[in-house]
Amino acid sequence: DAGITQSPRHKVTETGTPVTLRCHQTENHRYMYWYRQDPGHGLRLIHYSYGVKDTDKGEVSDGYSVSRSKTEDFLLTLESATSSQTSVYFCAISESGTGGAGELFFGEGSRLTVL
Amino acid sequence: AQSVTQLGSHVSVSEGALVLLRCNYSSSVPPYLFWYVQYPNQGLQLLLKYTSAATLVKGINGFEAEFKKSETSFHLTKPSAHMSDAAEYFCAVSGTGGGNKLTFGTGTQLKVEL
Repeated sequence: DAGITQSPRHKVTETGTPVTLRCHQTENHRYMYWYRQDPGHGLRLIHYSYGVKDTDKGEVSDGYSVSRSKTEDFLLTLESATSSQTSVYFCAISESGTGGAGELFFGEGSRLTVL
Repeated sequence: AQSVTQLGSHVSVSEGALVLLRCNYSSSVPPYLFWYVQYPNQGLQLLLKYTSAATLVKGINGFEAEFKKSETSFHLTKPSAHMSDAAEYFCAVSGTGGGNKLTFGTGTQLKVEL
């Protein structure tokens, strides 16, 4: 199994509070991704990183920010959580990126509930 | 923008029957296509991928998919379903240009009945 650890695995928070989800990898892969999974929507890309300090937006980036200060860690921050951000969040990593048909390896997910 | 459409959010088959999960893609250039599987309370794992080397792609657990350009399809099949195949299946297409972004379909939940 790919060495990907997401934390926390479960979190309940209140509307308006900041939340940070952490993804830690031990594979030294260049690319890291944050997806959210919602019923009827599949997985949608929030942000991704193609190197340390290099990030870009996905299709549902509003209300989210990311940071990657070192290869192994990719943080997803909700500055002020809203109920619409209740979801399961998945981190994924890739050695070569999917544009080169590289495989994505997924973490086990972080379930976030915003009350 | 590239996209995939999965027909049927829920599919039910009997154990031993053929599994057919449908995926159609939209792309202006030859795409890379993927099938991922998600078991309950787990992340996704790769079943197989199409990278233009061969139109019939074999994956893990007896699954295979055929790329048909004329039909813009990449359907997933397995000749004989097993109870352990019950899971959610996602078709995905890779983006072009920079970014290496993967766009997923909405998923198909496969139920296998005795």
